[in-house]
Amino acid sequence: AQKITQTQPGMFVQEKEAVTLDCTYDTSDQSYGLFWYKQPSSGEMIFLIYQGSYDEQNATEGRYSLNFQKARKSANLVISASQLGDSAMYFCAMREGGDKIIFGKGTRLHILP
Amino acid sequence: DTGVSQDPRHKITKRGQNVTFRCDPISEHNRLYWYRQTLGQGPEFLTYFQNEAQLEKSRLLSDRFSAERPKGSFSTLEIQRTEQGDSAMYLCASSLRDRGLYETQYFGPGTRLLVL
Repeated sequence: AQKITQTQPGMFVQEKEAVTLDCTYDTSDQSYGLFWYKQPSSGEMIFLIYQGSYDEQNATEGRYSLNFQKARKSANLVISASQLGDSAMYFCAMREGGDKIIFGKGTRLHILP
Repeated sequence: DTGVSQDPRHKITKRGQNVTFRCDPISEHNRLYWYRQTLGQGPEFLTYFQNEAQLEKSRLLSDRFSAERPKGSFSTLEIQRTEQGDSAMYLCASSLRDRGLYETQYFGPGTRLLVL
């Protein structure tokens, strides 16, 4: 079974609108961490935001917020006021207490002018 | 500064040749990771080091692959007798161990390998 599921292969969003990228995860651990990375066409993976399983508040970093619903095992990324530069691949990832990170297959986001 | 750097950025080689990639982590980071990313997929873990010790290797890492981090700073990933299936982006990441679950990996720009 996949550990990280991103069900949206691609999304088109009008500039300045908010966008939600879906991510569900599968783990039996109580202690884990969830990450979102952005990968522009240049290829570099850019860290966006982190949520720990014990964090009671949803993580926020500027225009990025993570909608963490632990019971549903959901960790959706919300980008407010989207910009053309937000067009990229977005990857959800999880660390379960080991050291490596497991990535989903990603969502390609297109921001339309 | 001083993000993670990788060299070369692109490599084209013929099947059967050996290739070597280099990764220079963020200077104070004690952990270094290698991932492989094929088209349309997320990165897949290959191996990682804490200082100079290689602590884990994925089963994806066949015996044609070897990684080193001899002085606990930069790392090299060598692929011997390359095959067309080795064509991928090879990503390096580094992190600082002492943050536990909050440890965040910072990635380099990657080396894109094409095996003809």
